[in-house]
Amino acid sequence: EIVLTQSPATLSVSPGDRATLFCRASQSISSNLAWYQQRPGQAPRLLIYGASTRATGIPARFSGSGFGTDFTLTISSLQSEDFVVYYCQQYNQWPPYTFGQGTKLEIK
Amino acid sequence: QLQLQESGPGLVKPSETLSLTCDVFGGSISITSYFWGWIRQPPGKGLEWIGNIYYSGITHYDPSLKSRVNIAIDTSKNNFSLRLTAVTAADTAVYYCVRVRSGSYFEHWGQGTLVTVSS
Repeated sequence: EIVLTQSPATLSVSPGDRATLFCRASQSISSNLAWYQQRPGQAPRLLIYGASTRATGIPARFSGSGFGTDFTLTISSLQSEDFVVYYCQQYNQWPPYTFGQGTKLEIK
Repeated sequence: QLQLQESGPGLVKPSETLSLTCDVFGGSISITSYFWGWIRQPPGKGLEWIGNIYYSGITHYDPSLKSRVNIAIDTSKNNFSLRLTAVTAADTAVYYCVRVRSGSYFEHWGQGTLVTVSS
């Protein structure tokens, strides 16, 4: 089973600034990584797939990069609604699909 | 606009069977490019994949749950279902049904339904 480790667990950033979230895989997963955003009380929403492709309707301030074992999600010019929880997920080797434990983005 | 809607009991007794249905609206469940699946999230915790099913009936399950899980599909009703047997308090979670793009990422999510295991 591939283990995904997200860092940091909590990230404090000011509105308007840039946030960089990390996801590391226990073995190479090529570019088979997705990122999700989850607002309180809501289902997760797909942001990025293929490590760097934005899903339909996702603003351009969200970008993903990485290959192999190390991946980043960057959110530029943070808006108030961006201060929620983010998860990464691998689909290179399944079953099982696995998720990171999440990063909470909070207002500094 | 694709919509997924979970339904089923919100309270299940320990040792009994959890049963949920996911109705799919705005698209066919028989489309070849997608799997259909279940993911759960215990209160205050992260996401756990449970299993997937293809319209043909092919299934894949998380190894840790495989002995207790069954996912079925009904193309005539455009829905699919989850059964989880011998539940314990550890199975208390919000359960989401999802559409899985080509067996990869989770493209569409239902709003989720909370299932509590308690006597």
